[in-house]
Amino acid sequence: GDSVTQMEGPVTLSEEAFLTINCTYTATGYPSLFWYVQYPGEGLQLLLKATKADDKGSNKGFEATYRKETTSFHLEKGSVQVSDSAVYFCALNTGNQFYFGTGTSLTVIP
Amino acid sequence: EAQVTQNPRYLITVTGKKLTVTCSQNMNHEYMSWYRQDPGLGLRQIYYSMNVEVTDKGDVPEGYKVSRKEKRNFPLILESPSPNQTSLYFCASSPTVWGGKNYGYTFGSGTRLTVV
Repeated sequence: GDSVTQMEGPVTLSEEAFLTINCTYTATGYPSLFWYVQYPGEGLQLLLKATKADDKGSNKGFEATYRKETTSFHLEKGSVQVSDSAVYFCALNTGNQFYFGTGTSLTVIP
Repeated sequence: EAQVTQNPRYLITVTGKKLTVTCSQNMNHEYMSWYRQDPGLGLRQIYYSMNVEVTDKGDVPEGYKVSRKEKRNFPLILESPSPNQTSLYFCASSPTVWGGKNYGYTFGSGTRLTVV
């Protein structure tokens, strides 16, 4: 069935470091792909999305490119800040259901 | 403000005592869904609704019921809660998930349920 696999955490980085969180997917058809962010005590918020191959989603300095050939949607940011500390979820939508990864916890230290 | 409102935020109950978690959205969204979040398992879909009076099972529907009598409301009902339903629950809505118009979800703030 359809699924999402993302790298396990936790990830700890120093401020201004480069961030990559890997996400790969398995899906029939042509899914839409998303990254969500969850800050402590809050619900998930949509961070960025891509609806077709080679699309690049971007928001708040984060980017991810929909790579059909490698079935991947890796999240990147060039320079992380303390305020980026959160849990990040990769997700796909196919048909009328969404599938989420297990989440990657990121802590950024000053 | 566009939002999904869940109530209550925290709930402690006893095994077997029926409860309802309410969910309401003010964005005229067609699609609504319930998820539970458990450590190491991510988010798992319980039920979803494509529109009024249209609901369907997600991946983990056992022990839950839902209804969609109005577009804005999508309550989650636990008829006889058990300790394995202790979890963090999220309601979410989306304009639609069909036809390439995948806007993504707006999530509620969550309901932390403990069943003792």
